[in-house]
Amino acid sequence: AQSVTQLDSHVSVSEGTPVLLRCNYSSSYSPSLFWYVQHPNKGLQLLLKYTSAATLVKGINGFEAEFKKSETSFHLTKPSAHMSDAAEYFCVVSLESGGSYIPTFGRGTSLIVHP
Amino acid sequence: GAVVSQHPSRVICKSGTSVKIECRSLDFQATTMFWYRQFPKKSLMLMATSNEGSKATYEQGVEKDKFLINHASLTLSTLTVTSAHPEDSSFYICSARELADSYNEQFFGPGTRLTVL
Repeated sequence: AQSVTQLDSHVSVSEGTPVLLRCNYSSSYSPSLFWYVQHPNKGLQLLLKYTSAATLVKGINGFEAEFKKSETSFHLTKPSAHMSDAAEYFCVVSLESGGSYIPTFGRGTSLIVHP
Repeated sequence: GAVVSQHPSRVICKSGTSVKIECRSLDFQATTMFWYRQFPKKSLMLMATSNEGSKATYEQGVEKDKFLINHASLTLSTLTVTSAHPEDSSFYICSARELADSYNEQFFGPGTRLTVL
């Protein structure tokens, strides 16, 4: 069975400081991995996705994530937080199940950015 | 990017009535659509996966007779909450995927807030 663990329910940073949102997965096979962001009362937006082409993936709004197979991790980072980054972030793993690719969501990490 | 719409965005209904929520892919053909439920300050819980022209696959614990899903075309899926009760109040989100492979991202609708009185 596949699963995805977001280790922190909340992460609090000051504006201008680095952001690290952690995600670990368990899977018997190489999964597809995604990070989505959800702003309050809004739908979900794709930040980036890992498709096995490169282990370091660059996304929108200055975010990037590195796939580390040995650590089964796909942590999301950003060098400098902006107030507009405050939102809920979801790590998603997608793996084949019964002929379909089913996405599994992590519990989410709430990013709080202080001025 | 691809756009997915949901209608209605908000609905309030009386207990015992049925509510239909539509999910449409506006500029692409969605071979697969997913229906999620999100509780306040919680993650998305996958309810079911629907592939165009076939029956939906429900996740464990989701009542298929209560949450009827129809994926009649490549651009439309509907979720009907039958005989709604207050505990069905939630934020329902659909997503659509163009191709069947795992690398293909999902495009999410804006969600439907259901309140059952």
